[in-house]
Amino acid sequence: ETGVTQTPRHLVMGMTNKKSLKCEQHLGHNAMYWYKQSAKKPLELMFVYSLEERVENNSVPSRFSPECPNSSHLFLHLHTLQPEDSALYLCASSQLPFLGQGNTGELFFGEGSRLTVL
Amino acid sequence: GIQVEQSPPDLILQEGANSTLRCNFSDSVNNLQWFHQNPWGQLINLFYIPSGTKQNGRLSATTVATERYSLLYISSSQTTDSGVYFCAVPRRAGTASKLTFGTGTRLQVTL
Repeated sequence: ETGVTQTPRHLVMGMTNKKSLKCEQHLGHNAMYWYKQSAKKPLELMFVYSLEERVENNSVPSRFSPECPNSSHLFLHLHTLQPEDSALYLCASSQLPFLGQGNTGELFFGEGSRLTVL
Repeated sequence: GIQVEQSPPDLILQEGANSTLRCNFSDSVNNLQWFHQNPWGQLINLFYIPSGTKQNGRLSATTVATERYSLLYISSSQTTDSGVYFCAVPRRAGTASKLTFGTGTRLQVTL
């Protein structure tokens, strides 16, 4: 138990569906992240939110739409995905390393949401 | 951007054996994390180790930042150690950190 919870754990969707992935952290952190892990590829950073503001969008297609309503919750809205978007989507959180002493910026990950697009 | 390389890419061990996994990075870093990804996909934090040596049970890690590498030692390996081991180094993203991951070492421990 890392303190970062992702739902659903598994999702199968068609290319015309709209679905959302949810992430919740109980660690009191103030930065949240979405990573994508495809088969035989390194983990790729998708989005970074710092104090609920998006600070990084790593050239992600617009069919992926993140939302961070507060520092504890992060969503990834999915719309008209392609089969090549099938992957494990991992959420992470951290305490901002540049605010306050003793914050290492160490990331903690959820269990992931395994997405299959048919 | 920074390059992070891990070796070996694959490793098969018999239960009880020891192993050393290596992580090389192309630029100076101010911290480094090691993770174990279990067969269900979860990334489990093993070490946060910007420099020096840390130990946690059968695992230990050493980072030599000046020479741009880190080592993860697994002693008396068990089947539950199987999975993929990643090292990752941070880069600043606004006020947050973003991790760049290595390609991983896939470890299989057999009976």
